[in-house]
Amino acid sequence: EAGVTQSPTHLIKTRGQQATLRCSPISGHTSVYWYQQALGLGLQFLLWYDEGEERNRGNFPPRFSGRQFPNYSSELNVNALELEDSALYLCASSLAQGAGETQYFGPGTRLLVL
Amino acid sequence: DQQVKQNSPSLSVQEGRISILNCDYTNSMFDYFLWYKKYPAEGPTFLISISSIKDKNEDGRFTVFLNKSAKHLSLHIVPSQPGDSAVYFCAASAVGQNFVFGPGTRLSVLP
Repeated sequence: EAGVTQSPTHLIKTRGQQATLRCSPISGHTSVYWYQQALGLGLQFLLWYDEGEERNRGNFPPRFSGRQFPNYSSELNVNALELEDSALYLCASSLAQGAGETQYFGPGTRLLVL
Repeated sequence: DQQVKQNSPSLSVQEGRISILNCDYTNSMFDYFLWYKKYPAEGPTFLISISSIKDKNEDGRFTVFLNKSAKHLSLHIVPSQPGDSAVYFCAASAVGQNFVFGPGTRLSVLP
């Protein structure tokens, strides 16, 4: 069974540009989560989508947004990129609505903002 | 305010010995806990979970202990192997809430 996949694996952008990151969950999983792991820091929760709707978001500015498609894949968009947005962005999926369900992670997208 | 803390940023253990990774939390509403392992350049891998109705869960070489009164959980790895060298994250959630992750502990198992 295929795990969570993310693309691209690496992304280099300059300040002010927009970045789009993509995630495909494990087949049958309806919830998708996005996390940011900046260098030297732990995982910071960004966004949670379930059944196409945004269920919760972490303490990030509105320029971090996303969506979930009918096939449960998801996009994370980061607008007006800033240098401190450079991080590993992880996507995870789970079977049911969020809390208490084991999340399975993808390999991540490494975003570098120059 | 960090709700989930892993106060040891790193830990070194000899191969074959026990590794004990600790995690403390402040939110008494947390009722489900997970441990993840992360190798460089890879996403986290689920290891083991425990719910607040239990105080111990075991899976092979991995055992998680939960002390609700102390708001403390620990992951024991016995025996430790060089392949266990990774960053270990604990995560906690309350009903209807997303998981909160600790900052991680880097475990080095020395041959």
